[in-house]
Amino acid sequence: DAGVTQSPTHLIKTRGQQVTLRCSPKSGHDTVSWYQQALGQGPQFIFQYYEEEERQRGNFPDRFSGHQFPNYSSELNVNALLLGDSALYLCASSFGWGVQETQYFGPGTRLLVL
Amino acid sequence: SQQGEEDPQALSIQEGENATMNCSYKTSINNLQWYRQNSGRGLVHLILIRSNEREKHSGRLRVTLDTSKKSSSLLITASRAADTASYFCATDDKRGGSGGSNYKLTFGKGTLLTVNP
Repeated sequence: DAGVTQSPTHLIKTRGQQVTLRCSPKSGHDTVSWYQQALGQGPQFIFQYYEEEERQRGNFPDRFSGHQFPNYSSELNVNALLLGDSALYLCASSFGWGVQETQYFGPGTRLLVL
Repeated sequence: SQQGEEDPQALSIQEGENATMNCSYKTSINNLQWYRQNSGRGLVHLILIRSNEREKHSGRLRVTLDTSKKSSSLLITASRAADTASYFCATDDKRGGSGGSNYKLTFGKGTLLTVNP
């Protein structure tokens, strides 16, 4: 039973560029959430997808956008990268909408913006 | 914004000792979860305690929840070197909306636990 997978594991970009991160949820899960974790901080909620729609969004600018595909996998896109976007990006999956289920996290993608 | 705040920020103990970490939060919750993170990698779910529960056990882990004080504690008994990691508490943030509601997790800054062999 595969857990949550993310790609790539590491990424280096320069300011102003755009980046796409990918996530495949745990088998049987249909809800995907994205979090940003800066060094020395706890993860911060970016947004959540269910049935290919963004259901909730945290306090992040419109430069952060996402998508969920029919197979429940998801992408996180960040445009016009800033130095402050350097962080570990975590994807979490869970099952169902309107139920309180444990979120399972992937290993993360470490993004460095130069 | 961070909801949960862990205390202490760092804890260093010897193998075999017990480790206790505390978490305080600000708003009403539906549940509280504890996660472990090794060296900036992915988060591993440890335990979930619901707002109507006061104590929960899982192996060497014991979690308590005091909703009147808006606080939780995580106790790791008979610690091992492999328990060295950062520990985070995370509270839900249930939102209503059309089609039902779901929750997002709001994390604290974590406690860095070092278990010395």
